[in-house]
Amino acid sequence: DTAVSQTPKYLVTQMGNDKSIKCEQNLGHDTMYWYKQDSKKFLKIMFSYNNKELIINETVPNRFSPKSPDKAHLNLHINSLELGDSAVYFCASSPSGTVTNQPQHFGDGTRLSIL
Amino acid sequence: DQQVKQNSPSLSVQEGRISILNCDYTNSMFDYFLWYKKYPAEGPTFLISISSIKDKNEDGRFTVFLNKSAKHLSLHIVPSQPGDSAVYFCAASALGDTDKLIFGTGTRLQVFP
Repeated sequence: DTAVSQTPKYLVTQMGNDKSIKCEQNLGHDTMYWYKQDSKKFLKIMFSYNNKELIINETVPNRFSPKSPDKAHLNLHINSLELGDSAVYFCASSPSGTVTNQPQHFGDGTRLSIL
Repeated sequence: DQQVKQNSPSLSVQEGRISILNCDYTNSMFDYFLWYKKYPAEGPTFLISISSIKDKNEDGRFTVFLNKSAKHLSLHIVPSQPGDSAVYFCAASALGDTDKLIFGTGTRLQVFP
């Protein structure tokens, strides 16, 4: 009965490859997010989607492309992976929409390592 | 320019005593503040929050205090338990931008017997 689930948990790949991380939430939330936690443990928002619509798009290289097929899923595709993309990527969701100040619920993260 | 700062990377407290974790922010537009707890290999888990219209919010052993004039908030855990050992993140969002959480870099709390 996992609320926010991400796959895979670990991803090791070579520079230049393209990879995807999947995220699903069963909380019935309207908004989903992707965060990146870098080597300094700094957790920073990348994107947010509300009902499949892009709401937040921080300064992220356009090699990163989120895709939301429905409001329960937000996948992250990364093209031409670089060494600096090595990090832990967290998916999150929240009720949001017309309901403000609601905490976000996080998945357990995907640790991406670029060789 | 880090808008949310947790200046203590680690804190060690004896079981049963009080743990105080601190957080400072610079953006005066922040009006909602949260604390998250994170265990290794898991995602952050929401712990407690406070709106800027309050200066204190309590939930069991956890109390968050907000000092808006000092742009400072703190999380008090009393009594501390070994299971509280984790990394604690402070986060904030601004009025009109509630979906955009800005996180601090975390404080690792260790509660020893």
